[in-house]
Amino acid sequence: GENVEQHPSTLSVQEGDSAVIKCTYSDSASNYFPWYKQELGKRPQLIIDIRSNVGEKKDQRIAVTLNKTAKHFSLHITETQPEDSAVYFCAASTPVWSGAGSYQLTFGKGTKLSVIP
Amino acid sequence: GAGVSQSPRYKVAKRGQDVALRCDPISGHVSLFWYQQALGQGPEFLTYFQNEAQLDKSGLPSDRFFAERPEGSVSTLKIQRTQQEDSAVYLCASSWGRGDNEQFFGPGTRLTVL
Repeated sequence: GENVEQHPSTLSVQEGDSAVIKCTYSDSASNYFPWYKQELGKRPQLIIDIRSNVGEKKDQRIAVTLNKTAKHFSLHITETQPEDSAVYFCAASTPVWSGAGSYQLTFGKGTKLSVIP
Repeated sequence: GAGVSQSPRYKVAKRGQDVALRCDPISGHVSLFWYQQALGQGPEFLTYFQNEAQLDKSGLPSDRFFAERPEGSVSTLKIQRTQQEDSAVYLCASSWGRGDNEQFFGPGTRLTVL
């Protein structure tokens, strides 16, 4: 099955600086890569996603890059703000035609981002 | 519109008790997923429904775990003879398609087994 590794596990940045979180995946058939933000005690919420036919996607201060050859993808947050503080999860979805039973998401272990005012 | 809702939000059970966790997905969403999130970890897949059909239950950790979605909307995750290792947050997610698009998560049910 799919395996997703995420680094770093914790990240502290000064307000206004950039933050980068990196993930690798194992199954070359995976083709959908979402990033979720989870605040303490709250539900995971999608912040950006990317499909395997795209190398980069941006949405205001957030961007994701995907390198299919190397099987890694990264989240970039620019001009960080205190409200960006949360746990961020990367995930990968493997299509059923490759043997997976469903389009389940395999998550990384999360990165706790702290933005220091 | 309303998002995914789950009930109860918190559940405390004594070891050996049975529990039932409910998920109300977004209306019209075909796909429904259950995930288990241990403290400090990412969610882990348990089972998947497409309408009323349970197409994937490969993530259920034991035969004490059972899920159903009889009418293709509301789903229930049942855990029989709960054990301490079952303590976790149980998240439900729904999606309008197969699931390889945005999965909308509910707030979760925090289960504590004493």
